[in-house]
Amino acid sequence: DTAVSQTPKYLVTQMGNDKSIKCEQNLGHDTMYWYKQDSKKFLKIMFSYNNKELIINETVPNRFSPKSPDKAHLNLHINSLELGDSAVYFCASRAGTGGYHIYFGEGSWLTVV
Amino acid sequence: KNEVEQSPQNLTAQEGEFITINCSYSVGISALHWLQQHPGGGIVSLFMLSSGKKKHGRLIATINIQEKHSSLHITASHPRDSAVYICAVIKGAQKLVFGQGTRLTINP
Repeated sequence: DTAVSQTPKYLVTQMGNDKSIKCEQNLGHDTMYWYKQDSKKFLKIMFSYNNKELIINETVPNRFSPKSPDKAHLNLHINSLELGDSAVYFCASRAGTGGYHIYFGEGSWLTVV
Repeated sequence: KNEVEQSPQNLTAQEGEFITINCSYSVGISALHWLQQHPGGGIVSLFMLSSGKKKHGRLIATINIQEKHSSLHITASHPRDSAVYICAVIKGAQKLVFGQGTRLTINP
């Protein structure tokens, strides 16, 4: 069983559309994240949730809205997609705060045309 | 300037060579991760360190908290070690801040 799973893996969509990326972890972790990896392969945190509560929101445009229906799921909804949103989006989870290993999903490749 | 700096950015070596990748950071941290990202894109956590040294197979990671520096070493490198290696620090309780990555290529 995949520990952190994201869907879809690949998504090609037109500018202006609204899309969602789903993430689920079966590790029983309390903390989940969304990261964006740009074309230069630089990873940057977008959001962090702990037990369904938003902990970190890193100056991400409000077109991006995370939703955590329960602590095993953290979905990312993006409104009015722009060309600059094209990137790989990684979901990740950790057991808690502080020194715990982090587990990444396989990434979702978003291309906006 | 990034809070986490890695060097070198690119490294090409021959199979069998001893590899060192360095990471320096400028912020207070609770721990540091070394991550591996293969060409297919998946990211795996290799080590999590808050002090000293850890070893797993041919990989060794060290951290010097006073000097704000960590190194990842690979002994007897192999082409399958070719990947991007990323240093990430845990700032505060939650936030991971990433280095820009080191692209390692091991030629047979």
